[in-house]
Amino acid sequence: EVQLVESGGGLVQPGRSMKLSCAASGFTFSNYGMAWVRQAPTKGLEWVATISYDGSSTYYRDSVKGRFTISRDNAKSTLYLQMNSLRSEDTATYYCTRDHRYWGQGVMVTVSS
Amino acid sequence: DVVMTQTPVSLSVAIGQPASISCKSSQSLVGTSGKTYLNWLLQRPGQSPKRLIYLVSKLDSGIPDRFSGSGSETDFTLKISRVEADDLGVYYCLQGTHFPYTFGAGTKLELK
Repeated sequence: EVQLVESGGGLVQPGRSMKLSCAASGFTFSNYGMAWVRQAPTKGLEWVATISYDGSSTYYRDSVKGRFTISRDNAKSTLYLQMNSLRSEDTATYYCTRDHRYWGQGVMVTVSS
Repeated sequence: DVVMTQTPVSLSVAIGQPASISCKSSQSLVGTSGKTYLNWLLQRPGQSPKRLIYLVSKLDSGIPDRFSGSGSETDFTLKISRVEADDLGVYYCLQGTHFPYTFGAGTKLELK
């Protein structure tokens, strides 16, 4: 059974950093591209970033480019999202997803002073 | 960026009745491979999204055949032949052809 479990969220002040993790199991992690998608409170879904199966290619939405870094450790079957210079508009539930078919339960990130 | 215009914003349907949701993209979603990366997802209240359909019309495993997807290029439709209570939630279309990937704004399906 495919499982994706996010961790690392919480409350953070504007301008600070936070790193999210997504532990994957139930499939060969190194064979699949992965992505982060977020959802601000009461809002719709928003794609954030995608990484290729081997980490060689990464893609970001403009609003996080230069601030967020998606990465992966295939030996640990774990996906990461390093978020720097956080803004209030980054407040959201962050989901990791494989193929947009399998989704984690989401982790809440609140950026507030 | 590709804009995904999803209509209607909300839909009130009685059990057993059909439902239809439209999604129009601002540019063709046919990729260089010739494939069209248009997905439909359902997010039930308090839950993570769940993909129902990929590549315009292919049902994910375990998705009942009451759901169907159709369309091409820039114009896509999700149809539910007979709505059931378990179908309520917010439906999103998602294009995965062009970066940045973009979602429609969502259609809230409520039971009448």
